[in-house]
Amino acid sequence: GQQLNQSPQSMFIQEGEDVSMNCTSSSIFNTWLWYKQDPGEGPVLLIALYKAGELTSNGRLTAQFGITRKDSFLNISASIPSDVGIYFCAGQPINAGGTSYGKLTFGQGTILTVHP
Amino acid sequence: DTGVSQDPRHKITKRGQNVTFRCDPISEHNRLYWYRQTLGQGPEFLTYFQNEAQLEKSRLLSDRFSAERPKGSFSTLEIQRTEQGDSAMYLCASSWGQKNIQYFGAGTRLSVL
Repeated sequence: GQQLNQSPQSMFIQEGEDVSMNCTSSSIFNTWLWYKQDPGEGPVLLIALYKAGELTSNGRLTAQFGITRKDSFLNISASIPSDVGIYFCAGQPINAGGTSYGKLTFGQGTILTVHP
Repeated sequence: DTGVSQDPRHKITKRGQNVTFRCDPISEHNRLYWYRQTLGQGPEFLTYFQNEAQLEKSRLLSDRFSAERPKGSFSTLEIQRTEQGDSAMYLCASSWGQKNIQYFGAGTRLSVL
């Protein structure tokens, strides 16, 4: 089935460093989303992207929707210890008449560890 | 708290038993999704409701799985004759509107012994 390739799988960084992760797909998506998940919890939405080329920021987070609509990246600037967690990209396909409306395909996740 | 609510948070059961999970979406969200997440993986789509109509089911949803949303509000996911391979986190999400941003609950972690 449809899959998203998310990289890197894990990152170990020092507090204060910047982080970059990305997702690529073989298919076009209508919307790209980035979520963060803490252990034992559900994913929490960080940023939503709706248009090809769109660049959106949320505090120290910046994400872009690739021009080809097949990729997206997420940057975190000046990381802090509470940034620790698993980051997922998710793509939402073009609405095919309503029967698959909004079904998300997720990447495998990037595990972020921040050393103080 | 007006977020997506899932109950129970944890469920331990013996192989062969039936289990049922409940999801209460954000009020007035007309779309509701179930996903399954295994360790080290991203969530995988199981099924989707728009109001009370179940519009799509994944191939992952075997005939032992059934989901309902009888009044277009809360939803239940039942697994019959559980197997060890059913052990996973079951996540519910709800959304509405054209942008259809999905908000997730905290999940139900199922352990089948």
